Amino acid sequence: KAGVTQTPRYLIKTRGQQVTLSCSPISGHRSVSWYQQTPGQGLQFLFEYFSETQRNKGNFPGRFSGRQFSNSRSEMNVSTLELGDSALYLCASSLEASPPETQYFGPGTRLLVL
Amino acid sequence: AQSVAQPEDQVNVAEGNPLTVKCTYSVSGNPYLFWYVQYPNRGLQFLLKYITGDNLVKGSYGFEAEFNKSQTSFHLKKPSALVSDSALYFCAVSAGSGYSTLTFGKGTMLLVSP
Repeated sequence: KAGVTQTPRYLIKTRGQQVTLSCSPISGHRSVSWYQQTPGQGLQFLFEYFSETQRNKGNFPGRFSGRQFSNSRSEMNVSTLELGDSALYLCASSLEASPPETQYFGPGTRLLVL
Repeated sequence: AQSVAQPEDQVNVAEGNPLTVKCTYSVSGNPYLFWYVQYPNRGLQFLLKYITGDNLVKGSYGFEAEFNKSQTSFHLKKPSALVSDSALYFCAVSAGSGYSTLTFGKGTMLLVSP
């Protein structure tokens, strides 16, 4: 099976712009989670979607949003970008929403905000 | 709230020697514990997980981890380190109920010298 894919792999934006990141889960996986990884804060949970419904949300401002489509593909959007949004954004998919299903990660999208 | 502590930012070991990467956790109820590895500019790769049963869990690439409930620890081990094991290792915990998310530790950089 193909793994989790994320597009684009790299992005450069300026402050105030918005950005949309895409994630295609492993075939058959219905749960998609998003994480932000920075050197200072480490890996932080953004949100989780299962069957097009947001099940969990991390402690991020409303500028961060996401959605999941009927084919389980997911997008996340960040509006009004700030310098501190520069990070590696990781998407992970699993079979179900509940633990202990293993989450499999994509390669990430590296976002640089100037 | 659930949390993970990886007390060492970096672990240095010579090739051929055994390695241990430490992890302690805090969670309400039964924990589900995971180890992931991250190579430069890559996403996270799943190594192993503990759900229930045998306290010694065997995973990919010769890694294993020992679950210790009384010490709330889940240390990652390998009998003989390889230079190619050099990477960033993350421990993660999820509570065993509801739609709990993964909480990651800060990560431990493992450096294996030839």
